Amino acid sequence: DAKTTQPTSMDCAEGRAANLPCNHSTISGNEYVYWYRQIHSQGPQYIIHGLKNNETNEMASLIITEDRKSSTLILPHATLRDTAVYYCIVRPSGGGADGLTFGKGTHLIIQP
Amino acid sequence: DAGITQSPRHKVTETGTPVTLRCHQTENHRYMYWYRQDPGHGLRLIHYSYGVKDTDKGEVSDGYSVSRSKTEDFLLTLESATSSQTSVYFCAISESGSTDTQYFGPGTRLTVL
Repeated sequence: DAKTTQPTSMDCAEGRAANLPCNHSTISGNEYVYWYRQIHSQGPQYIIHGLKNNETNEMASLIITEDRKSSTLILPHATLRDTAVYYCIVRPSGGGADGLTFGKGTHLIIQP
Repeated sequence: DAGITQSPRHKVTETGTPVTLRCHQTENHRYMYWYRQDPGHGLRLIHYSYGVKDTDKGEVSDGYSVSRSKTEDFLLTLESATSSQTSVYFCAISESGSTDTQYFGPGTRLTVL
């Protein structure tokens, strides 16, 4: 799996958009970008994933650069409950049963 | 949220005793996984299953065994628990090998004294 680089921590004011960057400069053509988050003491929660195009769901938006070497997860209106560690993961489609490789992620702190 | 439950949620046991953790799903997903999470190591795959009675080893399988006799249940057994197996254990499921989104359970916190 390609490696990812994320900032260790970020702050964001409640109600504002939280933009979390991820660098994946060695991503291959068949690798998807996945985002998960983990709120303290809970299991990782799936947020969103994409291959080339930007994606949006009820939780977030994923913006992938044209060269696919980086991406940004956007939480449009952050709340205190969005405080968590956010993980950016890349892995191939049809990857079978390989485990997910979680790096250190970004600790996002939403400030009231 | 995906229908995944883990039991027990917390367990304290002594070195040398056998321990079994259970993961139960109501999604009828084919693939099930066991991970452990430790400070400084992130999540690491222990074992996974790609169908009833079909299992394989992950990155850190030593000291662990698994069984899957029904689609909905995946058991993780520590035959003789050691203090190094103190950890938080997460179960995950995914629908198929080509659909890689994994959904995680709430976790089991195991302490081996």
